[in-house]
Amino acid sequence: DVKVTQSSRYLVKRTGEKVFLECVQDMDHENMFWYRQDPGLGLRLIYFSYDVKMKEKGDIPEGYSVSREKKERFSLILESASTNQTSMYLCASRRTPGSKNIQYFGAGTRLSVL
Amino acid sequence: KNQVEQSPQSLIILEGKNCTLQCNYTVSPFSNLRWYKQDTGRGPVSLTIMTFSENTKSNGRYTATLDADTKQSSLHITASQLSDSASYICVVSGDDSNYQLIWGAGTKLIIKP
Repeated sequence: DVKVTQSSRYLVKRTGEKVFLECVQDMDHENMFWYRQDPGLGLRLIYFSYDVKMKEKGDIPEGYSVSREKKERFSLILESASTNQTSMYLCASRRTPGSKNIQYFGAGTRLSVL
Repeated sequence: KNQVEQSPQSLIILEGKNCTLQCNYTVSPFSNLRWYKQDTGRGPVSLTIMTFSENTKSNGRYTATLDADTKQSSLHITASQLSDSASYICVVSGDDSNYQLIWGAGTKLIIKP
């Protein structure tokens, strides 16, 4: 079974702090994604990565950056956390694109910025 | 504007009953449509994927339909169980690369004993 592990289930941070969210997958997937999920809205793509050291902006990249130094690990960085970044963050991975290729998700990190 | 609209927003039914969730989309071009199940506090899990040429796909008690002409999909759940309580999310991809997926807001389904 594919396993996508997010390092923290819950995080509480203060405004202005630098925040690291870590995601690791164990299936040698090329593609990895970071989303945020807010009540009443669909998942919104923050960043994705085609492969190691490759990254592309999604729909809402402002205030975020990412790092993919190893194939299995994709990190989301909040350079200076703000209250409007309080959200559920979901990481996903999948093999190279194809119409039938599905994304596998981690359990999510619920981040509260005070 | 590419959009995915789901209805109802929430639904409560008794255990053992059937239900149907709706998804309307305005994504163009169209590549495929997926239904995901998301349990509370968990990430989404894929239920079905349908391409343009597929109009029905089943996964156990879940049956998804797709009408590409009217741009509508439905997810029918038969003989509901308490474990079906979750959010069900419709997702549409406009291209085969699937890098940009358009996510619906989901339908929250509650099954009562």
